Amino acid sequence: EIVLTQSPDFQSVTPKEKVTITCRASQSIGSSLHWYQQKPDQSPKLLIKYASQSFSGVPSRFSGSGSGTDFTLTIDSLEPEDAATYYCHQSSSLPYTFGQGTKLEIK
Amino acid sequence: QVQLVESGGGVVQPGGSLRLSCAASGFTFNSYTIHWVRQAPGKGLEWVAAISYDGSNKYYADSVKGRFTISRDNSKNRLFLQMNNLRAEDTAVYYCARDYVHDRWGQGTLVTVSS
Repeated sequence: EIVLTQSPDFQSVTPKEKVTITCRASQSIGSSLHWYQQKPDQSPKLLIKYASQSFSGVPSRFSGSGSGTDFTLTIDSLEPEDAATYYCHQSSSLPYTFGQGTKLEIK
Repeated sequence: QVQLVESGGGVVQPGGSLRLSCAASGFTFNSYTIHWVRQAPGKGLEWVAAISYDGSNKYYADSVKGRFTISRDNSKNRLFLQMNNLRAEDTAVYYCARDYVHDRWGQGTLVTVSS
């Protein structure tokens, strides 16, 4: 099973700050890495697919990069509505797995 | 618009069974692999199962293999998850999600396994 490890687990940030969340895979997964945002009592929403492809309708301040085992989600100029938990997910090999999540708190 | 709507959740005793349903609309259902993903209260996301577009291939997490069965009815645009021999650790919100990238999710249905 491929283990995805996100860092940090929690981050408290101020509006307009730049945020970077990392996701490390226990073995190479190519670019089969996707990022989601989940707000309390809501379903997850896709932000980035295949490591760096923006999903339709997602604000341009969200971007992704990486390949192989190391991936990054970047939020440029954080907005208050970006307070949420962010998850990475791999669809390279079964069983598909998720990272443990990174909770972003807005100060 | 693309919509996925789960139903069938509820409270069940350990060892019991439940059948979840996911109704799809707004897209060509029989062109997509569909997944079940669950989230225990206050916890992260866990992939549960997936079924190919035509139902010919089915995949399961080790934690549910042999107890859960995924199926679909493409004539009715519906996905199912038959859950047998339920355990307390199966308590979670169950989501259906479209495609390997999970680009669309339902609102989820809560399954509580408790005596």
